[in-house]
Amino acid sequence: SQQGEEDPQALSIQEGENATMNCSYKTSINNLQWYRQNSGRGLVHLILIRSNEREKHSGRLRVTLDTSKKSSSLLITASRAADTASYFCAIQGAQKLVFGQGTRLTINP
Amino acid sequence: NAGVMQNPRHLVRRRGQEARLRCSPMKGHSHVYWYRQLPEEGLKFMVYLQKENIIDESGMPKERFSAEFPKEGPSILRIQQVVRGDSAAYFCASSPRTSVRPITGELFFGEGSRLTVL
Repeated sequence: SQQGEEDPQALSIQEGENATMNCSYKTSINNLQWYRQNSGRGLVHLILIRSNEREKHSGRLRVTLDTSKKSSSLLITASRAADTASYFCAIQGAQKLVFGQGTRLTINP
Repeated sequence: NAGVMQNPRHLVRRRGQEARLRCSPMKGHSHVYWYRQLPEEGLKFMVYLQKENIIDESGMPKERFSAEFPKEGPSILRIQQVVRGDSAAYFCASSPRTSVRPITGELFFGEGSRLTVL
C-alpha cells in the first residue's frame, strides 16, 4: 500500500511545547507532503520534501525524511492554540496523492 | 485569485435520491481530484480527471458513482440512488499540471461538500 501511516493518532500538548508527528510508508517515493486540516475545513498544504532531501524548514515547521527507514516527521515548534488541527502526510502515487489517517493535534492553552 | 470552489457545502438527500457535487478548480488548473472523507478518518482517493478525460478512477465505487470534467464548466461528482453509507465529506482538489506525469507539487483543496443521507 502506498498509504502513509501517521503516529500518534492523537496528540495533546500544552501551548508553547513542541509537537512531533511521524509518518511511515512502504513504497519508494518521489516526494512526501504534509497537509493540515482544521475542523470542518479543507486541507491546506504545509510543506513538500523531495526524496533527495533530508530536512526542510518553513517557519515553525520542520520536516525530516529518512528514505532508508521510509519515514518522515513533522515538528511544530512553540505550538499555539491555532495549531489545533489534523495533520496528514501524503505519498505520491502514480497519478494521485495517497493520504494517511492523520494525527489529531490538540494544543491546550 | 479564487481558490477551489465547491458547492453545495452541505447537501441532505433521502435514500434513493441523487446527489450532484460541483467543483470549480483554481484558475489555470486543468486537473481535478475527488476525495472522500468519513468522520475522524483520512481522505480516500476517488477519481482524477483532466478536462474531458478520466485519468484514474481506481477509487470510485463501480456502481452509482460517476464523475466528469467537461471542457466548459465545473467538475461534477454524481452519486445515484444514495444510501446512508454515502454520507461523508467530499473534497475536490486541483493542480496546474499540464501533462500526465507524476505529481511534483501540491494540491489545492476546496472546503468540501458534506453529504448527509437520511
